[in-house]
Amino acid sequence: SQQGEEDPQALSIQEGENATMNCSYKTSINNLQWYRQNSGRGLVHLILIRSNEREKHSGRLRVTLDTSKKSSSLLITASRAADTASYFCATDATGNQFYFGTGTSLTVIP
Amino acid sequence: DAGVIQSPRHEVTEMGQEVTLRCKPISGHNSLFWYRQTMMRGLELLIYFNNNVPIDDSGMPEDRFSAKMPNASFSTLKIQPSEPRDSAVYFCASRMTGANTEAFFGQGTRLTVV
Repeated sequence: SQQGEEDPQALSIQEGENATMNCSYKTSINNLQWYRQNSGRGLVHLILIRSNEREKHSGRLRVTLDTSKKSSSLLITASRAADTASYFCATDATGNQFYFGTGTSLTVIP
Repeated sequence: DAGVIQSPRHEVTEMGQEVTLRCKPISGHNSLFWYRQTMMRGLELLIYFNNNVPIDDSGMPEDRFSAKMPNASFSTLKIQPSEPRDSAVYFCASRMTGANTEAFFGQGTRLTVV
């Protein structure tokens, strides 16, 4: 991809379990953002973490950022069937470029 | 606000034809992005505008692709001539320029070139 990679590419879990997906990127960033995409729809913003932050929470979402390793992780706790979607990290680079990773396809089995 | 509006939602065209995709960003947003999404290549940033000026078009695949933003409320992405490998979903997104702002996406245009 233009900026980074996500892993795993696909993840299948049971409802109630936690889901963790990882993102690695290449350049310096202002912030890193996570987005969700339901099949056939546009992307929706979930959470933003600034380059000087290490961890951020929003509801059942927890995001970490390690700028020394150029990596981030998204944890969804107590997953629900409605969380089934693709999840993308996006890096907000210093030149205002806004690049997306390759995405993780999450399936939550009821 | 109705959000970012893209048209058409679906477009089927024959190889060699000109295709124009349209986008209306959210009012007040001064950055606009065009992305292309395919299974093989994921989400690719094609071009972005700041205050209606193209800032980085390094992602535009070739000269057949062109984008314009004549004013703050309208942008177009044109492919001429179109080829089957251009088949993809094209997204437009907008946001306020500045640190730590989120992007808002349109619903996309699914382009099929036969």
